[in-house]
Amino acid sequence: DAGVIQSPRHEVTEMGQEVTLRCKPISGHNSLFWYRQTMMRGLELLIYFNNNVPIDDSGMPEDRFSAKMPNASFSTLKIQPSEPRDSAVYFCASSLASTSGRNEQFFGPGTRLTVL
Amino acid sequence: AQSVAQPEDQVNVAEGNPLTVKCTYSVSGNPYLFWYVQYPNRGLQFLLKYITGDNLVKGSYGFEAEFNKSQTSFHLKKPSALVSDSALYFCAVSRNTGGFKTIFGAGTRLFVKA
Repeated sequence: DAGVIQSPRHEVTEMGQEVTLRCKPISGHNSLFWYRQTMMRGLELLIYFNNNVPIDDSGMPEDRFSAKMPNASFSTLKIQPSEPRDSAVYFCASSLASTSGRNEQFFGPGTRLTVL
Repeated sequence: AQSVAQPEDQVNVAEGNPLTVKCTYSVSGNPYLFWYVQYPNRGLQFLLKYITGDNLVKGSYGFEAEFNKSQTSFHLKKPSALVSDSALYFCAVSRNTGGFKTIFGAGTRLFVKA
């Protein structure tokens, strides 16, 4: 298995531009998570999906952020418009869902976003 | 509400010595507890988890962790540290009363000196 795949690995953009981050979860996993990691705030859960349905988006910082999961093998995180404070490493993770949270998550390599 | 505390930002240990990375948690109901490791420029990687049963859990790369319900702790340990163990370690908790949300600690950076 190739693991969780994220693209692009690095993204440099200018303030105000739209940014789209992509994730392909591990085949057979039905939960998908988007995280953001910064030195100041650590690892933050932005949103997670179960069976392609958003379950909790309380971590999405503001309306500029949106996430979709149109099918079991693909998810996007979009920032529009982007701002310098959005600069961070964004991770996607997937797991086999359960009703109890007992299953570990598998993380992708991350996308390092720099907004100038 | 669930929470995880990793009281040490950094732990320094000499190669060959035992290491401990501390974690305490707060959760209603019985917890599921996890340890992850992050190497530079990589995503988090699962090390081990406690679900139920034996309080001592063994995981990857010779790591183990001990669940202590009375102290609400889940410390990560290794009998003999390697330089290659130097990384960022995260403790995480979820609960077994429903829901998929896992809460991660702030992370502890481990430095192993040769």
